[in-house]
Amino acid sequence: EVQLLDSGGGLVQPGGSLRLSCTASGFSFSTYAMSWVRQAPGKGLERVAGISASGDNTFHAASVRGRFTISRDNSKNTLYLQMNSLGAEDTAVYYCAKPRIAGVVAPFDFWGQGTLVTVSS
Amino acid sequence: EIVMTQSPATLSVSPGQRATLSCRASQSVNSDLAWYQQKPGQAPSLLIYGASTRATGIPARFSASGSGTEFTLTISSLQSEDLALYYCQQYDNWPPTFGQGTRLEIK
Repeated sequence: EVQLLDSGGGLVQPGGSLRLSCTASGFSFSTYAMSWVRQAPGKGLERVAGISASGDNTFHAASVRGRFTISRDNSKNTLYLQMNSLGAEDTAVYYCAKPRIAGVVAPFDFWGQGTLVTVSS
Repeated sequence: EIVMTQSPATLSVSPGQRATLSCRASQSVNSDLAWYQQKPGQAPSLLIYGASTRATGIPARFSASGSGTEFTLTISSLQSEDLALYYCQQYDNWPPTFGQGTRLEIK
């Protein structure tokens, strides 16, 4: 059974940092590109970062570029999102997401349960 | 990037009735269109991919159609458990983008 377990969220002050983790099981993690998608309170879905299966290629949305960094450790089946210089606009539930097919751009067939990041003083 | 526009923003439908949700792309995405359902307090889940193919375990009352720039999700006989937000997503063009969502309410 595919499982994605998101963790690392919490309350952080403006300008602070957090590192999110997503621990995967039930599929061949190292063969899938992975993504982080966030949802601000009462808002829609925004894909903030993606990473290739090997970790060699990454994508960061303009809204987070230069502040967030996606990475992965295939030996630990874990996806990360390092978030620096956090602002109130980053307050959201963050989900890791797995695409339906390995090796191509595909819709997400499994999502983590989400981890809430609240940026506030 | 491609902009996905969903309508209406909110849809109120009685149980047993048909619900029709729309999604429009700012340029052609061929059939590379997915629909997601997000129930209150839950993560999104995949409903439809390839514009019209139901994901594993999705009931037959959910159907979808379209190609190019115009897409439709239809729920043929609304059940109370269909109360949710529905999002479309294109994955034809990089980066993949989501619509803003349609909130489906039960009358």
